[in-house]
Amino acid sequence: NAGVTQTPKFQVLKTGQSMTLQCAQDMNHNSMYWYRQDPGMGLRLIYYSASEGTTDKGEVPNGYNVSRLNKREFSLRLESAAPSQTSVYFCASSQWGEGNQPQHFGDGTRLSIL
Amino acid sequence: SQQGEEDPQALSIQEGENATMNCSYKTSINNLQWYRQNSGRGLVHLILIRSNEREKHSGRLRVTLDTSKKSSSLLITASRAADTASYFCATDAKPGGYQKVTFGTGTKLQVIP
Repeated sequence: NAGVTQTPKFQVLKTGQSMTLQCAQDMNHNSMYWYRQDPGMGLRLIYYSASEGTTDKGEVPNGYNVSRLNKREFSLRLESAAPSQTSVYFCASSQWGEGNQPQHFGDGTRLSIL
Repeated sequence: SQQGEEDPQALSIQEGENATMNCSYKTSINNLQWYRQNSGRGLVHLILIRSNEREKHSGRLRVTLDTSKKSSSLLITASRAADTASYFCATDAKPGGYQKVTFGTGTKLQVIP
């Protein structure tokens, strides 16, 4: 049981390049999330998808786009990477129930933008 | 903006001692969760406490919630070197906030063997 799988694990980009971070979950969860984690800032929500077919902005959406490809997959795209987007990116999923349920996280993508 | 703030930011204890970390938040919540993050890994859910609960236990973990003070504490008893990690609280705000939780900045715990 893999849980939440993120690819790639590491990536170095040049300013202005684009790339897509992939996330897939095998727990049949309906909600998925993208966070970024920076030193001293904790986790900040970029975008989330409450259910298949819907996406919404989180706290720090500027410079990012997302696609909920199907129930399993939720991708994050950087159209024109900037050094300020250097961070560790985490994908998570959860099952909506009676209120918030625990989120399950992938191991992250470490992204450096030069 | 961060809803939850953990205190202390860092904590170093000897193996076998108890570790206590605190979380304060700003607005009314539906529930509060605690997560652990080992170095280089994703977050792992530890425990969830609902706003109508005051205390919850899971193994060596004890969580308390005081909604009047808008604070929670996580106690790890008889700590082990394997407990070395960062610990985060996460809250969801009333009303609404569908499935959106806000994470604090974390407490970094070091357990010295």
